[in-house]
Amino acid sequence: KAGVTQTPRYLIKTRGQQVTLSCSPISGHRSVSWYQQTPGQGLQFLFEYFSETQRNKGNFPGRFSGRQFSNSRSEMNVSTLELGDSALYLCASRPGQANNEQFFGPGTRLTVL
Amino acid sequence: DQQVKQNSPSLSVQEGRISILNCDYTNSMFDYFLWYKKYPAEGPTFLISISSIKDKNEDGRFTVFLNKSAKHLSLHIVPSQPGDSAVYFCAARRSGNTPLVFGKGTRLSVIA
Repeated sequence: KAGVTQTPRYLIKTRGQQVTLSCSPISGHRSVSWYQQTPGQGLQFLFEYFSETQRNKGNFPGRFSGRQFSNSRSEMNVSTLELGDSALYLCASRPGQANNEQFFGPGTRLTVL
Repeated sequence: DQQVKQNSPSLSVQEGRISILNCDYTNSMFDYFLWYKKYPAEGPTFLISISSIKDKNEDGRFTVFLNKSAKHLSLHIVPSQPGDSAVYFCAARRSGNTPLVFGKGTRLSVIA
């Protein structure tokens, strides 16, 4: 089975721009979660989608949004980028919300200049 | 409010010796705990987990211990190998449809 894939792997944007990141979960997995990793802050939960519905949301401003499609693929969008949004954005999937173990993709490294 | 804490940002261990990584949590509602390992430029990979109904879980060289009264868990790696050098994240969750809560990670360096 193919693992979780994320595109693009690297991205450079400037302040004020917006960005869309994509995640394809493992086949058959219906739950997709997004995390932000910054140096010294660990992994901070952004949101989780299950069957195209947002089921959980972390403490991030409304500039961060996401969606999930019927094939379970997910996108997250960040509008009006700030320098502090520079981070590794990780996507993780699991078969369902009752499953504890999540499988992570390699991440998208976003740099905001 | 950090619910999962890994107080040691880094740890160095000699090859062949035991590595002990620690994790503390504050939320008594957590009932499932996981350890992930992360190499640079890769996503975290699942290592081992433990349910709150157990106090120990073993998988090869990796053992996780849970002390519920102290709200503390630890990951033991024996023997440590250079390939174990990575950042280790502790994570926890409550039952139900709740997200994983991660610690900030501990960077383990295993020296040959």
